[in-house]
Amino acid sequence: SQQGEEDPQALSIQEGENATMNCSYKTSINNLQWYRQNSGRGLVHLILIRSNEREKHSGRLRVTLDTSKKSSSLLITASRAADTASYFCATARNSGNTPLVFGKGTRLSVIA
Amino acid sequence: NAGVTQTPKFQVLKTGQSMTLQCAQDMNHEYMSWYRQDPGMGLRLIHYSVGAGITDQGEVPNGYNVSRSTTEDFPLRLLSAAPSQTSVYFCASSYRDRPYGYTFGSGTRLTVV
Repeated sequence: SQQGEEDPQALSIQEGENATMNCSYKTSINNLQWYRQNSGRGLVHLILIRSNEREKHSGRLRVTLDTSKKSSSLLITASRAADTASYFCATARNSGNTPLVFGKGTRLSVIA
Repeated sequence: NAGVTQTPKFQVLKTGQSMTLQCAQDMNHEYMSWYRQDPGMGLRLIHYSVGAGITDQGEVPNGYNVSRSTTEDFPLRLLSAAPSQTSVYFCASSYRDRPYGYTFGSGTRLTVV
């Protein structure tokens, strides 16, 4: 069963705008990860945030984690057409040796 | 290039046929897993392994077998293909004893007719 649920299911924005995607989960976690999937391709790891962290940055990506609300958000700033993809959150209950549980994803379209 | 290699990329099977999806990684990752991706369903875990000789079931294991005889390889066997197994299959690997992102293969698109 899915642990994470992304919101919205689909998002369409203009190039240069910021895109925010949210993820909610149900059980306690060790870490939460975000992945990108371009159409017809495998998933690519973007960023990992541990349960004792509240915010993390990587380039134009900003991830927040609120363990009290069991939620996370992914912000992509100054979006580009190349950011068009599906984005998935995934949670791990333990460190490293247990499966990631993925949500159903948010489909982001960035219009040039 | 280091990474996860999946073969074949595409496959069409007839109902009842068996086949093996291959997955190999060269990063010395202890952890490997198989997911299937269906439209609107996200990724669902089929089987996973935390090291050679150790495998466990995921969310949707029925109709699939795995084995892990080496660190590098983690094949997925379909015993008797059914149309419900039409899907895109992804293999992924990671380190076992630390929080780390998964490296995914490029996928196998399987159609069962």
